[in-house]
Amino acid sequence: QTVVTQEPSFSVSPGGTVTLTCGLSSGSVSTSNYPSWYQQTPGQAPRTLIYSTSTRSSGVPDRFSGSILGNKAALTITGAQADDESDYYCVLYMGRGISVFGGGTKLTVL
Amino acid sequence: EVQLVQSGAEVKKPGESLKISCKGSGYSFTNNWIGWVRQMPGKGLEWMGIINPGDSDTRYSPSFQGQVTISADKSISTAYLQWSSLKASDSAIYYCVRRQYLAFDFWGQGTLVTVSS
Repeated sequence: QTVVTQEPSFSVSPGGTVTLTCGLSSGSVSTSNYPSWYQQTPGQAPRTLIYSTSTRSSGVPDRFSGSILGNKAALTITGAQADDESDYYCVLYMGRGISVFGGGTKLTVL
Repeated sequence: EVQLVQSGAEVKKPGESLKISCKGSGYSFTNNWIGWVRQMPGKGLEWMGIINPGDSDTRYSPSFQGQVTISADKSISTAYLQWSSLKASDSAIYYCVRRQYLAFDFWGQGTLVTVSS
């Protein structure tokens, strides 16, 4: 079964830049996986940040950006702010209507 | 305004059946697939499956195939997630999501399901 991999945790300083990645246990991520990214704070429903690799969802600040880096999808936060401290999840489309979530990355801003 | 409004929290006993709902509004319900996502306590998000409300074509994650049933009633713009026999391990928050561009652009508020004897 396909496993989507994310860093379990990451830390960034306020104002700093961080890149979270989303990979596959077997193979490379490409734009054909339509990578998307979601932010979740405790007790809240997730919020959509990025879809189709690099398109920002409505209302998402431009300090959030998505890309393919090497064989992984990536979410870069530029100028991190305290309220970016959240869990971040990627989703990859695997074909035949099937999507898979990554395990999530807990981002700490300190 | 697009909205997905889910049914309220449920407390059930092991072995009982359950059907939770997700009502879409603010868009043409049959234009987008509706999916379901599980979040167990303190854990990550898991994609369960998805349905095309227009023709009820349904796809399941292998992890959830046979464990739940996803359905939809397009006449009332509502999707459903149901269990025939709940287990304690089904205790979780369940989110419905609208799929657009093969991503999930709108989320329901979540339904907390608690299964306990």
